[in-house]
This record gives sequence, C-alpha cells and structure tokens, in this order.
Amino acid sequence: GQQLNQSPQSMFIQEGEDVSMNCTSSSIFNTWLWYKQDPGEGPVLLIALYKAGELTSNGRLTAQFGITRKDSFLNISASIPSDVGIYFCAGQNPHFGNEKLTFGTGTRLTIIP
Amino acid sequence: DSGVTQTPKHLITATGQRVTLRCSPRSGDLSVYWYQQSLDQGLQFLIQYYNGEERAKGNILERFSAQQFPDLHSELNLSSLELGDSALYFCASSPRDRGVDTQYFGPGTRLTVL
Repeated sequence: GQQLNQSPQSMFIQEGEDVSMNCTSSSIFNTWLWYKQDPGEGPVLLIALYKAGELTSNGRLTAQFGITRKDSFLNISASIPSDVGIYFCAGQNPHFGNEKLTFGTGTRLTIIP
Repeated sequence: DSGVTQTPKHLITATGQRVTLRCSPRSGDLSVYWYQQSLDQGLQFLIQYYNGEERAKGNILERFSAQQFPDLHSELNLSSLELGDSALYFCASSPRDRGVDTQYFGPGTRLTVL
C-alpha cells in the first residue's frame, strides 16, 4: 500500500534539544495530521493542518502544511522524556474517493540520558 | 483517552482459525475505519463504514470482512488466519463520512497467529 516518506527514520537526542521531522509525498493532500504512538497503544492526534501554508502550534509542538500540499514538517522544542515514541504523519484527500489516511513510515524518537 | 474502545486488547490464535475484533466509536461518531499495523508495512487502511454502510475499501484481504451495526459499533472478522496476519489492528472514528474530519484511534487489538 501507499505510504508517505517520512524522515528521519529515527532520532537520538538529549533532553532539552529541539527536534525536526518531515514528511513528503508524490500526491497532493488536503489535510495533514501528525500522530504520536507509544508502544502498544493507538496513535494519538497531535496536530491537524487543513490549509496549504498553515502553521499550527500545540504547546511545544509546531507543524506546517507545505505550500505545495505535498509535504509537512513537525518541530518539537525543548524535548522532555515523555516525548519519546514514534511520530507518524498522515495525509488525507477526500478527492481520492474516500476518507482513508495514508500514513508515513514513522520517526522513532529516543532521548539519551 | 480517545473515546474509541476496542476489544480484546490481545488475541492469540492458531493458523486457520477465525477471530472477531470489536470497536466502539466515540459518542456521536458515525464513521469507523479499520487499520492494520505490521512491522514491515506500517499503518495500512483496511475499510471504512459510515452509519452501517461500507464506504471505502483499502488493502483488505478477501479473508477479512467487517460490518457496522445499528448501534454503530463495528466488528472486523478475520478468517483462515495465516502467520502473516499477526499485527496490531486499530479502529478509528470520525463524525462524518466525507470531508476533512480527523480520525481518533482506539488502543488497538494485538493479534498473534501461531
């Protein structure tokens, strides 16, 4: 099945560092979503973006919907231990005929003591 | 807590068997989506139901089927199970069938086929 290209695949950082990850697609999306998944749990919605160019923040998290509608990025500032997990981007385009989400391959964030 | 519930949390069964996974959407949500998450394939959309009717199909095998009941809960039926069906199965719900509503995920059912 189709997946979005997400990078980096994994990150090892120290507490307090800023984090940046991005997602790219060959297809245009109308909505970009960012989820975080803890081990054994379901993805939890962090930020939803609905318009090209939109920049949205949720606490220490900031995400942007790319102007081309084919990419998005997520920044986390001043990382803390509870930020550890896997981050997924997801795109949605109702014009494809349904509301399914196409997911990125995930970025695994690890905080080094 | 997303408000989406799934049962059971874990399921262990043998090849060739059939299992049923259950999902209750958030209160007021009419759409239910099923996703499969395996190590090598990531999260893949399987099927969507809206208010009892099938709305869209993704990468769902013929051995798998789903339905949504009048009370809006949904069941995913997996039959003739194979080792490769071992995965996490998530359902998600949203209020409508079209548009840009975000989807809220349940905690998942981990299926292990031995």
